[in-house]
Amino acid sequence: DSGVTQTPKHLITATGQRVTLRCSPRSGDLSVYWYQQSLDQGLQFLIQYYNGEERAKGNILERFSAQQFPDLHSELNLSSLELGDSALYFCASSAGHGAYEQYFGPGTRLTVT
Amino acid sequence: AQSVAQPEDQVNVAEGNPLTVKCTYSVSGNPYLFWYVQYPNRGLQFLLKYITGDNLVKGSYGFEAEFNKSQTSFHLKKPSALVSDSALYFCAVRDIRSDMRFGAGTRLTVKP
Repeated sequence: DSGVTQTPKHLITATGQRVTLRCSPRSGDLSVYWYQQSLDQGLQFLIQYYNGEERAKGNILERFSAQQFPDLHSELNLSSLELGDSALYFCASSAGHGAYEQYFGPGTRLTVT
Repeated sequence: AQSVAQPEDQVNVAEGNPLTVKCTYSVSGNPYLFWYVQYPNRGLQFLLKYITGDNLVKGSYGFEAEFNKSQTSFHLKKPSALVSDSALYFCAVRDIRSDMRFGAGTRLTVKP
């Protein structure tokens, strides 16, 4: 158990809808990262927050947004969902950035029908 | 921009034999290199990392990796493979200014 929790585990929704994925980092970790894993794209970095502030942005679509709250938990919002958004979404946390390893949550499997 | 390559999609070894999973990287600064393992329907688990110092890094479950600066490689190794090592392995790289970049993954299958 990495200490990173994600809810929900599974999510099935229809095209055009909006969903929110939630992540609680390991105790004491200030950085939260979001990743998308799909069969054809592999593991893609979406966005990083550090102590409540956005620190780095990867291949995140404009339909997606995220935030980190004062208690350090984070939410990833996905809107106007398309079939191609079906994937595993992972949250990871680390004590900082640079040399620190990341600890991954179990993921949320999103299926868009 | 940093990048990482795992040249083999699949590696097959017999139980008890040594295994190697290859990784090469490209970064502009000094590299921070990581290996992660992913079992089915699970998140990635951290195995080991190289930051600085000894080129041979030891990690979890008997795995080790060798940093080779001249060849820009960071291959994952284990002297004696177990069936339970069968999983998807990811190499990752970053430098002090960049975010983590993961390779495409290598599926390791260890046959009894």
